[in-house]
Amino acid sequence: EAQVTQNPRYLITVTGKKLTVTCSQNMNHEYMSWYRQDPGLGLRQIYYSMNVEVTDKGDVPEGYKVSRKEKRNFPLILESPSPNQTSLYFCASSVRGQYYNEQFFGPGTRLTVL
Amino acid sequence: KNEVEQSPQNLTAQEGEFITINCSYSVGISALHWLQQHPGGGIVSLFMLSSGKKKHGRLIATINIQEKHSSLHITASHPRDSAVYICAVTRSQGNLIFGKGTKLSVKP
Repeated sequence: EAQVTQNPRYLITVTGKKLTVTCSQNMNHEYMSWYRQDPGLGLRQIYYSMNVEVTDKGDVPEGYKVSRKEKRNFPLILESPSPNQTSLYFCASSVRGQYYNEQFFGPGTRLTVL
Repeated sequence: KNEVEQSPQNLTAQEGEFITINCSYSVGISALHWLQQHPGGGIVSLFMLSSGKKKHGRLIATINIQEKHSSLHITASHPRDSAVYICAVTRSQGNLIFGKGTKLSVKP
Protein backbone atom coordinates (compact mmCIF):
# COMPACT_ATOMS: atom_id res chain seq x y z
CA GLU A 1 0.00 0.00 0.00
CA ALA A 2 1.33 3.42 -0.99
CA GLN A 3 1.78 5.46 2.14
CA VAL A 4 3.69 7.99 4.19
CA THR A 5 4.44 6.86 7.73
CA GLN A 6 5.47 8.96 10.70
CA ASN A 7 6.75 7.89 14.10
CA PRO A 8 5.96 8.47 16.82
CA ARG A 9 2.32 9.50 16.44
CA TYR A 10 2.23 11.09 19.89
CA LEU A 11 5.11 12.39 21.97
CA ILE A 12 5.33 14.27 25.25
CA THR A 13 8.81 15.47 26.13
CA VAL A 14 10.61 18.10 28.19
CA THR A 15 12.43 21.25 27.17
CA GLY A 16 15.91 20.63 25.85
CA LYS A 17 15.70 16.88 25.30
CA LYS A 18 16.71 16.13 21.72
CA LEU A 19 14.17 14.22 19.66
CA THR A 20 13.68 12.89 16.15
CA VAL A 21 10.41 12.35 14.31
CA THR A 22 10.82 9.90 11.46
CA CYS A 23 9.09 10.07 8.10
CA SER A 24 9.21 7.39 5.45
CA GLN A 25 7.48 6.96 2.08
CA ASN A 26 7.29 3.89 -0.16
CA MET A 27 6.30 5.64 -3.43
CA ASN A 28 9.79 6.58 -4.67
CA HIS A 29 8.86 10.25 -4.44
CA GLU A 30 11.55 12.87 -4.97
CA TYR A 31 9.87 15.66 -2.99
CA MET A 32 9.39 15.44 0.77
CA SER A 33 8.38 18.10 3.26
CA TRP A 34 7.60 18.82 6.90
CA TYR A 35 4.76 21.05 8.11
CA ARG A 36 3.47 22.15 11.46
CA GLN A 37 -0.15 23.00 12.16
CA ASP A 38 -1.19 25.37 14.93
CA PRO A 39 -4.63 26.75 15.85
CA GLY A 40 -5.23 30.10 14.22
CA LEU A 41 -2.05 29.87 12.14
CA GLY A 42 -2.90 26.91 9.94
CA LEU A 43 -0.26 24.82 8.21
CA ARG A 44 3.25 26.20 7.76
CA GLN A 45 6.16 24.61 5.97
CA ILE A 46 9.26 23.88 8.04
CA TYR A 47 11.68 22.30 5.56
CA TYR A 48 11.42 20.59 2.21
CA SER A 49 13.63 18.43 0.05
CA MET A 50 13.59 18.19 -3.73
CA ASN A 51 15.75 15.06 -3.75
CA VAL A 52 18.47 13.18 -1.89
CA GLU A 53 21.01 15.51 -0.24
CA VAL A 54 18.96 18.61 -1.24
CA THR A 55 17.06 20.45 1.50
CA ASP A 56 15.64 23.97 1.74
CA LYS A 57 14.07 26.10 4.44
CA GLY A 58 10.35 26.74 4.49
CA ASP A 59 8.59 29.50 6.40
CA VAL A 60 9.43 28.38 9.95
CA PRO A 61 12.77 26.49 10.02
CA GLU A 62 14.12 27.90 13.29
CA GLY A 63 14.75 25.23 15.90
CA TYR A 64 14.54 22.34 13.43
CA LYS A 65 16.99 20.28 11.40
CA VAL A 66 16.42 17.78 8.61
CA SER A 67 18.47 15.42 6.51
CA ARG A 68 17.80 13.49 3.32
CA LYS A 69 20.38 10.75 3.04
CA GLU A 70 18.01 8.31 1.37
CA LYS A 71 15.11 8.92 -0.98
CA ARG A 72 12.51 7.26 1.24
CA ASN A 73 13.36 8.90 4.59
CA PHE A 74 13.19 12.51 5.77
CA PRO A 75 13.60 12.77 9.56
CA LEU A 76 12.80 15.95 11.50
CA ILE A 77 15.22 16.70 14.32
CA LEU A 78 14.60 19.01 17.26
CA GLU A 79 18.01 19.49 18.90
CA SER A 80 16.69 21.41 21.90
CA PRO A 81 12.89 21.44 21.91
CA SER A 82 11.04 24.35 23.49
CA PRO A 83 7.37 24.72 24.48
CA ASN A 84 6.67 26.88 21.40
CA GLN A 85 7.38 23.79 19.30
CA THR A 86 4.32 22.08 20.75
CA SER A 87 2.30 21.41 17.62
CA LEU A 88 0.84 18.89 15.20
CA TYR A 89 3.44 17.88 12.64
CA PHE A 90 2.81 16.43 9.19
CA CYS A 91 5.23 14.92 6.73
CA ALA A 92 4.28 14.76 3.04
CA SER A 93 5.75 13.54 -0.23
CA SER A 94 5.08 13.96 -3.93
CA VAL A 95 6.47 13.16 -7.33
CA ARG A 96 8.44 16.16 -8.48
CA GLY A 97 6.88 16.60 -11.88
CA GLN A 98 6.89 19.70 -14.03
CA TYR A 99 4.12 21.28 -11.99
CA TYR A 100 4.73 19.54 -8.67
CA ASN A 101 2.16 16.82 -8.24
CA GLU A 102 -0.31 16.21 -5.44
CA GLN A 103 1.01 15.82 -1.95
CA PHE A 104 0.56 12.61 0.04
CA PHE A 105 0.40 13.31 3.76
CA GLY A 106 1.42 11.19 6.71
CA PRO A 107 -0.98 10.72 9.64
CA GLY A 108 0.56 13.42 11.80
CA THR A 109 2.64 13.53 14.99
CA ARG A 110 1.26 15.39 17.99
CA LEU A 111 4.19 16.78 19.97
CA THR A 112 3.94 18.36 23.40
CA VAL A 113 7.02 20.02 24.91
CA LEU A 114 6.73 20.73 28.64
CA LYS B 1 -1.69 40.50 4.63
CA ASN B 2 -1.49 36.75 4.09
CA GLU B 3 -0.20 35.59 0.72
CA VAL B 4 -3.02 33.03 0.49
CA GLU B 5 -6.48 34.11 1.62
CA GLN B 6 -9.50 31.86 1.88
CA SER B 7 -13.15 32.76 2.30
CA PRO B 8 -15.32 32.14 4.08
CA GLN B 9 -13.56 31.05 7.29
CA ASN B 10 -16.62 29.12 8.42
CA LEU B 11 -19.53 27.82 6.39
CA THR B 12 -22.69 26.01 7.46
CA ALA B 13 -24.90 24.45 4.80
CA GLN B 14 -27.94 22.22 4.57
CA GLU B 15 -27.58 18.83 2.97
CA GLY B 16 -28.00 19.09 -0.78
CA GLU B 17 -26.83 22.69 -1.11
CA PHE B 18 -24.23 23.86 -3.62
CA ILE B 19 -21.12 25.10 -1.83
CA THR B 20 -18.34 27.40 -2.98
CA ILE B 21 -15.08 28.07 -1.17
CA ASN B 22 -12.76 30.75 -2.52
CA CYS B 23 -8.98 31.14 -2.50
CA SER B 24 -7.03 34.21 -3.58
CA TYR B 25 -3.25 34.46 -3.68
CA SER B 26 -0.84 37.32 -4.21
CA VAL B 27 2.36 35.51 -5.29
CA GLY B 28 3.60 33.74 -8.39
CA ILE B 29 2.81 30.05 -8.29
CA SER B 30 3.59 26.78 -10.08
CA ALA B 31 0.49 25.03 -8.81
CA LEU B 32 -2.46 25.34 -6.46
CA HIS B 33 -3.70 22.58 -4.17
CA TRP B 34 -7.00 21.92 -2.46
CA LEU B 35 -6.73 19.76 0.64
CA GLN B 36 -9.33 18.25 2.96
CA GLN B 37 -8.82 17.68 6.67
CA HIS B 38 -11.40 15.69 8.62
CA PRO B 39 -11.92 16.11 12.38
CA GLY B 40 -9.64 13.12 13.00
CA GLY B 41 -6.78 15.21 11.65
CA GLY B 42 -5.66 13.37 8.50
CA ILE B 43 -5.03 15.48 5.39
CA VAL B 44 -6.00 14.35 1.92
CA SER B 45 -5.15 16.04 -1.35
CA LEU B 46 -8.29 16.70 -3.40
CA PHE B 47 -6.90 18.57 -6.40
CA MET B 48 -3.70 19.96 -7.81
CA LEU B 49 -4.25 22.64 -10.47
CA SER B 50 -2.03 24.70 -12.69
CA SER B 51 -4.76 25.90 -15.05
CA GLY B 52 -8.42 25.46 -15.94
CA LYS B 53 -10.78 23.15 -14.15
CA LYS B 54 -10.82 19.68 -12.62
CA LYS B 55 -13.74 17.51 -11.50
CA HIS B 56 -13.84 14.52 -9.22
CA GLY B 57 -17.26 13.18 -8.33
CA ARG B 58 -19.22 16.01 -6.71
CA LEU B 59 -16.16 18.22 -6.34
CA ILE B 60 -15.05 20.78 -8.91
CA ALA B 61 -11.99 23.01 -8.68
CA THR B 62 -11.24 25.95 -10.94
CA ILE B 63 -8.34 28.34 -11.21
CA ASN B 64 -7.97 31.71 -12.94
CA ILE B 65 -4.26 32.41 -13.20
CA GLN B 66 -4.70 36.01 -14.42
CA GLU B 67 -6.95 36.89 -11.48
CA LYS B 68 -4.94 34.77 -9.00
CA HIS B 69 -8.08 33.11 -7.78
CA SER B 70 -9.37 29.57 -7.32
CA SER B 71 -12.70 28.12 -6.25
CA LEU B 72 -13.69 24.76 -4.85
CA HIS B 73 -17.30 23.77 -5.49
CA ILE B 74 -19.21 20.94 -3.86
CA THR B 75 -22.45 19.93 -5.53
CA ALA B 76 -25.26 18.15 -3.65
CA SER B 77 -23.43 18.54 -0.34
CA HIS B 78 -23.62 15.76 2.25
CA PRO B 79 -22.85 15.65 5.99
CA ARG B 80 -19.76 13.53 5.23
CA ASP B 81 -18.36 16.57 3.38
CA SER B 82 -18.02 18.30 6.77
CA ALA B 83 -14.32 19.04 7.13
CA VAL B 84 -11.75 21.80 6.89
CA TYR B 85 -10.80 22.67 3.31
CA ILE B 86 -7.36 24.15 2.82
CA CYS B 87 -5.97 25.99 -0.18
CA ALA B 88 -2.19 25.89 -0.73
CA VAL B 89 0.10 27.21 -3.45
CA THR B 90 3.45 25.89 -4.62
CA ARG B 91 5.99 28.58 -5.38
CA SER B 92 8.46 28.16 -8.25
CA GLN B 93 11.23 27.43 -5.72
CA GLY B 94 9.22 24.43 -4.49
CA ASN B 95 8.00 25.77 -1.16
CA LEU B 96 4.32 25.72 -0.19
CA ILE B 97 2.19 28.44 1.39
CA PHE B 98 -1.18 27.65 2.93
CA GLY B 99 -4.43 29.46 3.52
CA LYS B 100 -5.89 29.22 7.02
CA GLY B 101 -8.67 26.91 5.91
CA THR B 102 -12.45 26.95 5.63
CA LYS B 103 -14.41 24.94 8.17
CA LEU B 104 -17.46 23.43 6.48
CA SER B 105 -20.37 21.93 8.38
CA VAL B 106 -23.15 20.27 6.40
CA LYS B 107 -26.35 19.68 8.40
CA PRO B 108 -28.71 16.81 7.53
